[in-house]
Amino acid sequence: GAGVSQSPSNKVTEKGKDVELRCDPISGHTALYWYRQSLGQGLEFLIYFQGNSAPDKSGLPSDRFSAERTGGSVSTLTIQRTQQEDSAVYLCASSTQPGTGAGNTIYFGEGSWLTVV
Amino acid sequence: KQEVTQIPAALSVPEGENLVLNCSFTDSAIYNLQWFRQDPGKGLTSLLLIQSSQREQTSGRLNASLDKSSGRSTLYIAASQPGDSATYLCAVSSGYALNFGKGTSLLVTP
Repeated sequence: GAGVSQSPSNKVTEKGKDVELRCDPISGHTALYWYRQSLGQGLEFLIYFQGNSAPDKSGLPSDRFSAERTGGSVSTLTIQRTQQEDSAVYLCASSTQPGTGAGNTIYFGEGSWLTVV
Repeated sequence: KQEVTQIPAALSVPEGENLVLNCSFTDSAIYNLQWFRQDPGKGLTSLLLIQSSQREQTSGRLNASLDKSSGRSTLYIAASQPGDSATYLCAVSSGYALNFGKGTSLLVTP
């Protein structure tokens, strides 16, 4: 597609339920990133994929969070047993080159706004 | 751990003014620094990327500078317009991840 596409754009869920957030990166982009933006906080790195593998999962806040990527394209971020502190905007981004050190442009989606009630 | 700070947190200026947004970071071992713009309810748009070996980058009315040794960057916006109103985020790269500041919320009034 023309840009990074995320779904759902908005999700309200009850505490304790599982949620899945989807990211469809720009076609041909091998690198994919998930970030979280909480109210009043900066963007927090969650996980990075190069192809289908995730060399860096260091940002996942707990074992309730997991992510996968299939076919070198679509990625899913899953949050199990959601808590109120999980409420945030979850942003996906992609780039042509691995990592951000190469200086290549990174493109962000519009985010999935998650509210846990 | 890399810490990125942006000052001011919020700024309101009348249309036509030139303005400067500041970004500082604690670890000078970076690959590059990027400035992004975020509109309400939207994702981030990359404005300028400065490689660690560069001192500045320009795009239209925007100019970003980088002083890696002192851990500072500035984003200069010339002749501001109401359409420039947004949150501006600074991010530094030390590897896979970008480390973001909390942003400067800019309001340009007509």
